[in-house]
Amino acid sequence: GENVEQHPSTLSVQEGDSAVIKCTYSDSASNYFPWYKQELGKGPQLIIDIRSNVGEKKDQRIAVTLNKTAKHFSLHITETQPEDSAVYFCAAGAGGTSYGKLTFGQGTILTVHP
Amino acid sequence: DVKVTQSSRYLVKRTGEKVFLECVQDMDHENMFWYRQDPGLGLRLIYFSYDVKMKEKGDIPEGYSVSREKKERFSLILESASTNQTSMYLCASSFGLAVYNEQFFGPGTRLTVL
Repeated sequence: GENVEQHPSTLSVQEGDSAVIKCTYSDSASNYFPWYKQELGKGPQLIIDIRSNVGEKKDQRIAVTLNKTAKHFSLHITETQPEDSAVYFCAAGAGGTSYGKLTFGQGTILTVHP
Repeated sequence: DVKVTQSSRYLVKRTGEKVFLECVQDMDHENMFWYRQDPGLGLRLIYFSYDVKMKEKGDIPEGYSVSREKKERFSLILESASTNQTSMYLCASSFGLAVYNEQFFGPGTRLTVL
């Protein structure tokens, strides 16, 4: 089955700095790569996703890049703010009749210091 | 807005007890999922279900079973709770067969088994 590795496990930055979280996956059949953000006391929530036919996707201060050859993808957050502090999870899934099943990474605790 | 609710935020049980964790979604989603979240291990899939017709084991099903008698409700059952099942349990739901549809998470149930 799919295996997703996520690094780093913790990341501490100053407000205004950039943050980068990296993930690798093992199954070449995976073609969908979402990122979820989990705030304290809440369930994870989708913040951005990318499909394998796209190399990069941006949404305001966040962006995701995908390198299918190397089987890795990354989340980039620019101009970080204290409200970006949360746990971030990457995930991978294969399209088609998969019942929406995803494999998640281990999570990254991001702390943004004011 | 999609709403996924879980019956308890915190639960304390004794070793050997039978434990039921309930999850309800209000958006007529076909797919429902149970994950457990442990520090450093991320989100690991226990079971998932497509409507009432199908239930399938995830990556760590040992010691768990599920029930889905109605489309909106998905229950996780710990037949005989053990201390190594102390964890945060998250329920999620999504629409349709494809992986590209967002998973919506409940707030989680923190289960402690003494």
